[in-house]
Amino acid sequence: AQSVSQHNHHVILSEAASLELGCNYSYGGTVNLFWYVQYPGQHLQLLLKYFSGDPLVKGIKGFEAEFIKSKFSFNLRKPSVQWSDTAEYFCAVNGEGGSGGYNKLIFGAGTRLAVHP
Amino acid sequence: DARVTQTPRDKVTEMGQEVTMRCQPILGHNTVFWYRQTMMQGLELLAYFRNRAPLDDSGMPKDRFSAEMPDATLATLKIQPSEPRDSAVYFCASTGFEGEAFFGQGTRLTVV
Repeated sequence: AQSVSQHNHHVILSEAASLELGCNYSYGGTVNLFWYVQYPGQHLQLLLKYFSGDPLVKGIKGFEAEFIKSKFSFNLRKPSVQWSDTAEYFCAVNGEGGSGGYNKLIFGAGTRLAVHP
Repeated sequence: DARVTQTPRDKVTEMGQEVTMRCQPILGHNTVFWYRQTMMQGLELLAYFRNRAPLDDSGMPKDRFSAEMPDATLATLKIQPSEPRDSAVYFCASTGFEGEAFFGQGTRLTVV
């Protein structure tokens, strides 16, 4: 069965600080990995995704994530956060299933990031 | 700009009433998910469909919840009878073959 674990539930940073949010997954086969962001009162939006190829992927708004297969990890990073990055961040995974398709998309518990000016 | 459309955006209802939430997935997407989001439980997967067939609804309370896809352009989530503990934001998402999910704006349900 697939599962996703996010290590930090709440993170508080000052503007310009660096950010790293941890994400580990459990699945024995090929996976697609995602980070989504949810701004207050809004729906989830895709930040970045990993399907294959270069394990360092770049997304919108200066975010990037690195897939480390040996550690089953897909940590999110940003060198310098802004107040507008205040939001909840979700890591998600779906594993390759039968018939060439992918299984259900499973989300981690989320990390609430608060950035202070 | 393709998007997932959910209706209604907000619903307030009395305990015991039937609630139906609707979702129009992105044209061409073959997988539709229903999630429920609460402060306590986070984002829970209720059910999902592929090519309109239900693949997994293990996350749904079976006695009161039901999910269907009458056609490729409509997915529904029904609660009958509704209870206060069902109060949450319900999100629909659709994906294409590779699994990148696009979310609707959600339905905020309040059961009083």
